[in-house]
Amino acid sequence: GAGVSQSPSNKVTEKGKDVELRCDPISGHTALYWYRQSLGQGLEFLIYFQGNSAPDKSGLPSDRFSAERTGGSVSTLTIQRTQQEDSAVYLCASTDSPSGGNEQFFGPGTRLTVL
Amino acid sequence: ILNVEQSPQSLHVQEGDSTNFTCSFPSSNFYALHWYRWETAKSPEALFVMTLNGDEKKKGRISATLNTKEGYSYLYIKGSQPEDSATYLCAYINAGNNRKLIWGLGTSLAVNP
Repeated sequence: GAGVSQSPSNKVTEKGKDVELRCDPISGHTALYWYRQSLGQGLEFLIYFQGNSAPDKSGLPSDRFSAERTGGSVSTLTIQRTQQEDSAVYLCASTDSPSGGNEQFFGPGTRLTVL
Repeated sequence: ILNVEQSPQSLHVQEGDSTNFTCSFPSSNFYALHWYRWETAKSPEALFVMTLNGDEKKKGRISATLNTKEGYSYLYIKGSQPEDSATYLCAYINAGNNRKLIWGLGTSLAVNP
């Protein structure tokens, strides 16, 4: 597609349920990033993929969070046993430069609300 | 710890005013600095990627400068318009650190018509 897409755009779930968030990057972009923005907070880095591997998982807040990327394209962020503090906008970005020298293109985000 | 600081945190200006804000970052081992604009209910959009000390980039009424030796970048908006209202984020990349972007908290700009 022309840009980065994410689904769903909105997700409301109950505490304790698992959720899966999807990111479809720009075709050919090798690097993919997941971020989240909690209410009143800045952009928080979660995980970065180069191809299918994740050189940096340092931002994942707990072992309830995991992510994978297959075929060097689509990525899925999974949150198990969701908690209310997981409520945030989850953003995905892709870039054609793994070195960080090129701009990142962001998707529209998934707004997650945990009741 | 690699910190990126942006100031001011928020800014209100009148239409037609020119304004500027600052991004401060560690000066050692610099690789690149990114500026993004994030409008409410939209995705962040890249404004500039700057890599060289002394770089100056311009896009319409918005320009940015970079000083890697002292660790700061300025973003300028000339003749602010209401559509410039957004949060302006900078992100720093260290030459090590897996080339991860370290984000500032942003400057929230409101332009009153």
